[in-house]
Amino acid sequence: KAGVTQTPRYLIKTRGQQVTLSCSPISGHRSVSWYQQTPGQGLQFLFEYFSETQRNKGNFPGRFSGRQFSNSRSEMNVSTLELGDSALYLCASSFSQGFQETQYFGPGTRLLVL
Amino acid sequence: AQTVTQSQPEMSVQEAETVTLSCTYDTSENNYYLFWYKQPPSRQMILVIRQEAYKQQNATENRFSVNFQKAAKSFSLKISDSQLGDTAMYFCACNAGGTSYGKLTFGQGTILTVHP
Repeated sequence: KAGVTQTPRYLIKTRGQQVTLSCSPISGHRSVSWYQQTPGQGLQFLFEYFSETQRNKGNFPGRFSGRQFSNSRSEMNVSTLELGDSALYLCASSFSQGFQETQYFGPGTRLLVL
Repeated sequence: AQTVTQSQPEMSVQEAETVTLSCTYDTSENNYYLFWYKQPPSRQMILVIRQEAYKQQNATENRFSVNFQKAAKSFSLKISDSQLGDTAMYFCACNAGGTSYGKLTFGQGTILTVHP
């Protein structure tokens, strides 16, 4: 089975722009979670989608949004980029949304905001 | 809400030796799962081992084992016969019940360096 894939792998944007990141889960997985990783804040949960519905959301401003499609692929969007949004964005998929599920991670998208 | 704390920012070990990484957590939930992930320089997060809170038996995966102390809310990772490929950042994580859908709470990580 193919693993979780994320595109693009690297991205450079300037302040004020917006960006869309994509995540394709493992085949058969219906839950996708997104995380932001920075040296200062570590790994922080952004949101989780299951069956095209956002089921859980972390403590991030409304500039961060996401969606999930019927094939379970997910996108996250960051509008009006700020320097502090520079980070590694990781998505993870699991079979379902239960807390017993193991999350499998993609390779991440490294975003640099100039 | 749950919290996860890793008190060792960095650890080092000689190849073939054993090392233990510490993790403590806090949650008000009765049912939860604990995980150790490793993140090598490639930044790919890889599952190392997982533990169900209701199981008293410690999980083991080849050279990796955990010491799960539920009352103390402690979840340490022991790596035996350390190999150079074990060099990575290790994260302890918790996924509790309740409304924590799809949410892993991570510790700050421990950088492990294996020396030849």
